[in-house]
Amino acid sequence: AQTVTQSQPEMSVQEAETVTLSCTYDTSENNYYLFWYKQPPSRQMILVIRQEAYKQQNATENRFSVNFQKAAKSFSLKISDSQLGDTAMYFCAFIKGGSQGNLIFGKGTKLSVKP
Amino acid sequence: DTAVSQTPKYLVTQMGNDKSIKCEQNLGHDTMYWYKQDSKKFLKIMFSYNNKELIINETVPNRFSPKSPDKAHLNLHINSLELGDSAVYFCASSQSTLGNQPQHFGDGTRLSIL
Repeated sequence: AQTVTQSQPEMSVQEAETVTLSCTYDTSENNYYLFWYKQPPSRQMILVIRQEAYKQQNATENRFSVNFQKAAKSFSLKISDSQLGDTAMYFCAFIKGGSQGNLIFGKGTKLSVKP
Repeated sequence: DTAVSQTPKYLVTQMGNDKSIKCEQNLGHDTMYWYKQDSKKFLKIMFSYNNKELIINETVPNRFSPKSPDKAHLNLHINSLELGDSAVYFCASSQSTLGNQPQHFGDGTRLSIL
């Protein structure tokens, strides 16, 4: 069975600084996808970024980028120039490539951006 | 326009009651899901439907019965509510069941059992 581990329950960062959230996963699959979702206090689940396992190049979306280390089964999220609106729970998630849609989530990291 | 909409956003009810949560998506997606987020914020899939057919049922008690009248709707009916059912329930949808299709979530329904 696949598992996703986020080892940092809470983190904080100063506005405009950079922060990295950790995620590791365990799988025997070779074809899979990884995601980071953001859940602000408003409770919405917002897709931040995704990575295809077959791609070596790390995904980037504006201030958000990932460091995908397939051999180490690591998928960290880097947020540059942190903004107050980045304050949220961040969830790492895994899904098999040919799966029936079962997203497996980590337990989340609560990020606080301080002014 | 909201892509995945759930109603109601909040639901407060007594133990033993029966309640329903509705979900609709206007994205033209084939696959819809229900997830449960517990008090510790842990998210876990409950059900998924593809073109109105059940494809995932993750050992959820029989008191929970999803119904998909068409592929744009997936409702969740819960019988004989228990204290442990208190949680936030999220509906989501994706283009297909394939892993490369991102799932789009509704805003969640906070269910509180008194």
